[in-house]
Amino acid sequence: DAGVIQSPRHEVTEMGQEVTLRCKPISGHDYLFWYRQTMMRGLELLIYFNNNVPIDDSGMPEDRFSAKMPNASFSTLKIQPSEPRDSAVYFCASSQQGGNTEAFFGQGTRLTVV
Amino acid sequence: RKEVEQDPGPFNVPEGATVAFNCTYSNSASQSFFWYRQDCRKEPKLLMSVYSSGNEDGRFTAQLNRASQYISLLIRDSKLSDSATYLCVVNPPPSYGKLTFGQGTILTVHP
Repeated sequence: DAGVIQSPRHEVTEMGQEVTLRCKPISGHDYLFWYRQTMMRGLELLIYFNNNVPIDDSGMPEDRFSAKMPNASFSTLKIQPSEPRDSAVYFCASSQQGGNTEAFFGQGTRLTVV
Repeated sequence: RKEVEQDPGPFNVPEGATVAFNCTYSNSASQSFFWYRQDCRKEPKLLMSVYSSGNEDGRFTAQLNRASQYISLLIRDSKLSDSATYLCVVNPPPSYGKLTFGQGTILTVHP
């Protein structure tokens, strides 16, 4: 298996633009997580899905952020409009049994909003 | 109080040293515990799970104290390749579906 695949790896955008991050989880994994990592706040869970259904989105910072999982092999995280404070590394991860098993992370998307 | 708190670090040790990291968690009903390792500009990867009886994997030993809500990681005979950020990870209620990460502790092993 190729592991969790994220795209793009790097994204530089101007403030106010829409940004869409993409993730393909490992086949057979029922859980998908979106994390954001900054120096100040570390790794923060934004949202997670179980069997394509959002379970906990309490970490989503505000209405500018939205996430979808239309099928078991694809998820998106969208920021609209983007702001400089959204600059961070965004990781997608997947696991077989949620928090009781190993989570496999993608290589991350490094987002810079100028 | 943060859900998971770790030693602030950073730790800077010579090769061959023994180093220990500590972590506390706030929710006593948390079920699963892990240590992840993250290399610079890379994604986190599982280092080892932490069991109530304690567990060892080569030079690495993890301990869990549920009464004190405390987790530890001991690295013996440190290698240069152990330089990384070590993340304490907890699986809290209510759904136990997610993993909550500590801020991480930076370890640098020098020659």
